[in-house]
Amino acid sequence: DIQMTQSPSSLSASVGDRVTITCRASQSIGSYLNWYRQKPGKAPNLLIYAASSLQSGVPSRFSGSGSETDFTLTISSLQPEDFATYYCQQSYSTPLTFGGGTKVEIK
Amino acid sequence: QVQLQESDPGLVQPSETLSLTCSVSGDSVSSGSYYWSWIRQPPGRGLEWIGYTSHTGGIDYNPSLKSRVSMSVDTSKNQLSLRLSSVTAADTGVYYCARRSGRVYYWFDPWGQGTQVTVSS
Repeated sequence: DIQMTQSPSSLSASVGDRVTITCRASQSIGSYLNWYRQKPGKAPNLLIYAASSLQSGVPSRFSGSGSETDFTLTISSLQPEDFATYYCQQSYSTPLTFGGGTKVEIK
Repeated sequence: QVQLQESDPGLVQPSETLSLTCSVSGDSVSSGSYYWSWIRQPPGRGLEWIGYTSHTGGIDYNPSLKSRVSMSVDTSKNQLSLRLSSVTAADTGVYYCARRSGRVYYWFDPWGQGTQVTVSS
């Protein structure tokens, strides 16, 4: 199985801050990497697919980068609705696996 | 707009079989090359892919659950179903259905709202 490791596991930030979350794969996965945001009590919502493609309807403050084993999700200016947990997910091979999550909390 | 809605199984007894359905609206489960997925989330923890299936019979399960899981698509009802046998407390959590979208690269979108499954006597 491909292990996905996210860091940090949690962070505190303020509205307007630039936030960066990283995800590392245990083996090369090309650009087969997706990012989701999960608000409390809700289902995850797709933000970025194929490492850097912004899902339709997702605000442009979200961006993704990276390839092979190292990936980054950046929120350029944190908004109140962005206080949530973020997950990366590899779609390179089954079993499909998710990172452990990064919880973004209000400072 | 595609929407997915999971059924509510209520309380499930240990060692019994969990049965869930996911009703799809705004799209046909037999359209395109979509695979229909189940994903779960234990309390306070991360996400675990259970498996996915298509109306053409394509199927793939997580090896960690393969011996206990069964999925299918009912085109007449536009639903997908999940059966998980011999459940234990470790199977407690929120269960989501989701559409696997994409052609070369794949992702999960949209998702159902999720349904709480509690395994307890």
